[in-house]
Amino acid sequence: GAGVSQSPSNKVTEKGKDVELRCDPISGHTALYWYRQRLGQGLEFLIYFQGNSAPDKSGLPSDRFSAERTGESVSTLTIQRTQQEDSAVYLCASSPWLGGGWEQYFGPGTRLTVT
Amino acid sequence: AQTVTQSQPEMSVQEAETVTLSCTYDTSENNYYLFWYKQPPSRQMILVIRQEAYKQQNATENRFSVNFQKAAKSFSLKISDSQLGDTAMYFCAFISSGGSNYKLTFGKGTLLTVNP
Repeated sequence: GAGVSQSPSNKVTEKGKDVELRCDPISGHTALYWYRQRLGQGLEFLIYFQGNSAPDKSGLPSDRFSAERTGESVSTLTIQRTQQEDSAVYLCASSPWLGGGWEQYFGPGTRLTVT
Repeated sequence: AQTVTQSQPEMSVQEAETVTLSCTYDTSENNYYLFWYKQPPSRQMILVIRQEAYKQQNATENRFSVNFQKAAKSFSLKISDSQLGDTAMYFCAFISSGGSNYKLTFGKGTLLTVNP
């Protein structure tokens, strides 16, 4: 079946503009995760959803970052007033249920460049 | 807080040979999972192998196997009969098996190059 998809694949934006990144998880997966990967670094956890609920927002870098999810479907990560340090690849993953025993399936990511 | 350390930023190996990637981690938990993910230039993260901490037997998946040393908090990946398609970034990752912490914690990665 279809895997996790993300759009856009690449996004170039000017400093100070808002951006929205979209994630379509695997159908039926209740858990959804967002990670950030800066150049030459490992993945940094941002937020997870169980259904449309996000119990832990502590990974979001600042209040310029927000995320929402519609039911057990699409999720959007919004970055307001982008800064150059926001430049990174943003990866989304989904799993059938929340919990360490479930494999997280990753999307191809969105490369965000803030000029 | 959990941390994952990969001490080899880059490694190379000749095709058909064997290579071992190192990973150490720090946690106070007793039950958890460890993973190796592969990230080729396409950016797609692919799960290579998974180890459950309560299992003493080392996980294997075809040419990939791990050496899990729980007391030493070490989790190395061995790739046998290396193939050109194995060229990628490899990330070691940790996740708790319980509680409310559901995030994967990743190391900084090891760039593996398989040479013909």
